[in-house]
Amino acid sequence: GDSVTQMEGPVTLSEEAFLTINCTYTATGYPSLFWYVQYPGEGLQLLLKATKADDKGSNKGFEATYRKETTSFHLEKGSVQVSDSAVYFCALLSGGSYIPTFGRGTSLIVHP
Amino acid sequence: DAGVTQSPTHLIKTRGQQVTLRCSPKSGHDTVSWYQQALGQGPQFIFQYYEEEERQRGNFPDRFSGHQFPNYSSELNVNALLLGDSALYLCATKLYREGGEQYFGPGTRLTVT
Repeated sequence: GDSVTQMEGPVTLSEEAFLTINCTYTATGYPSLFWYVQYPGEGLQLLLKATKADDKGSNKGFEATYRKETTSFHLEKGSVQVSDSAVYFCALLSGGSYIPTFGRGTSLIVHP
Repeated sequence: DAGVTQSPTHLIKTRGQQVTLRCSPKSGHDTVSWYQQALGQGPQFIFQYYEEEERQRGNFPDRFSGHQFPNYSSELNVNALLLGDSALYLCATKLYREGGEQYFGPGTRLTVT
């Protein structure tokens, strides 16, 4: 079945540091890939997505590239801010399904 | 434009009791999905409702049931609560004919003691 594996957290960084959160997946066919963010006390918000190989999703300074050859969708940001502190979830949506599969989430803590 | 709303925010129940959680969809959305998010885990799909019918179901026992009303709002019912049912319950809504993005509510934190 489909699955998503994310790096263990928490990831702790200083403000303006470079961020990478790793995500790899297993799926049949060609899934769409997503990153969601969950701020404390809130629901999940879609951060970015990519629907086919080599697509790059981007939003709010975050980027992720759909790498079919390595089945990966790593999240990156060049300079994190304290306000980026949250839990980040990688997810996939297999073709023909409307139900996403989520990873376990990676907590990001950014210190001033 | 109101987003997805859920009630109550927090709830404490005792083992064996029953609970009902509520979700109002984002304006214009007709499909409601429910997820269970245990502490430190990603959301797990429970079921999805469209046109007042359960359309898809995840790997959850029959103790979990739901309902969708004509105004597209939805309820999640859990009977015979177990300690392991303690979690954040998320509602997500979308327009049925569109794939992809769902909009999530803030969730209901259920604690079973």
